[in-house]
Amino acid sequence: GQQVMQIPQYQHVQEGEDFTTYCNSSTTLSNIQWYKQRPGGHPVFLIQLVKSGEVKKQKRLTFQFGEAKKNSSLHITATQTTDVGTYFCAGPDNYGQNFVFGPGTRLSVLP
Amino acid sequence: SAVISQKPSRDICQRGTSLTIQCQVDSQVTMMFWYRQQPGQSLTLIATANQGSEATYESGFVIDKFPISRPNLTFSTLTVSNMSPEDSSIYLCSVYLRDKANYGYTFGSGTRLTVV
Repeated sequence: GQQVMQIPQYQHVQEGEDFTTYCNSSTTLSNIQWYKQRPGGHPVFLIQLVKSGEVKKQKRLTFQFGEAKKNSSLHITATQTTDVGTYFCAGPDNYGQNFVFGPGTRLSVLP
Repeated sequence: SAVISQKPSRDICQRGTSLTIQCQVDSQVTMMFWYRQQPGQSLTLIATANQGSEATYESGFVIDKFPISRPNLTFSTLTVSNMSPEDSSIYLCSVYLRDKANYGYTFGSGTRLTVV
């Protein structure tokens, strides 16, 4: 079935450093979503990308959808301790009915 | 986006017993989704619950183990039956507002289940 992969699995950064997580699919995605889950919390929807090559920004977060719509990235500029958590990407399953979540990238930010 | 109330937030249960998790949504939704998240892992879809019909289960999940009810458009329950320690996990309900494409999935706060 549809698989969405993410790298890295873990990332430790010093506060103020940048962070990027990458999401890759073996098949073309009609769209991709990103979620953030704080430690002990539940996933919270961040954004959806639909168009090839699309770039969206939310303050210090920049989301990009690849030209081939098979990969995506989330970049955080100048990380803060509030950015700590696990970031998941999710893409539609083979039937286009539900979304399959990637394994996530766990971000730790050292103050 | 929708607001989901999920309970219990956590429970410790004896093996062999069952636990029913409830989710209440503040708006009417056609489909509700139940996920499992094992410690340190991603989210795995258990089943999709539609009002007025039987739930649709994903591969590896069966109705006898995870019976689901969906009595109306704002409420659903998931039961974890005949529990074993392997069922220890976080269970999350979710809705997807397809008429507002930018909202994505909204999740309940989750039920942290420990089976001893």
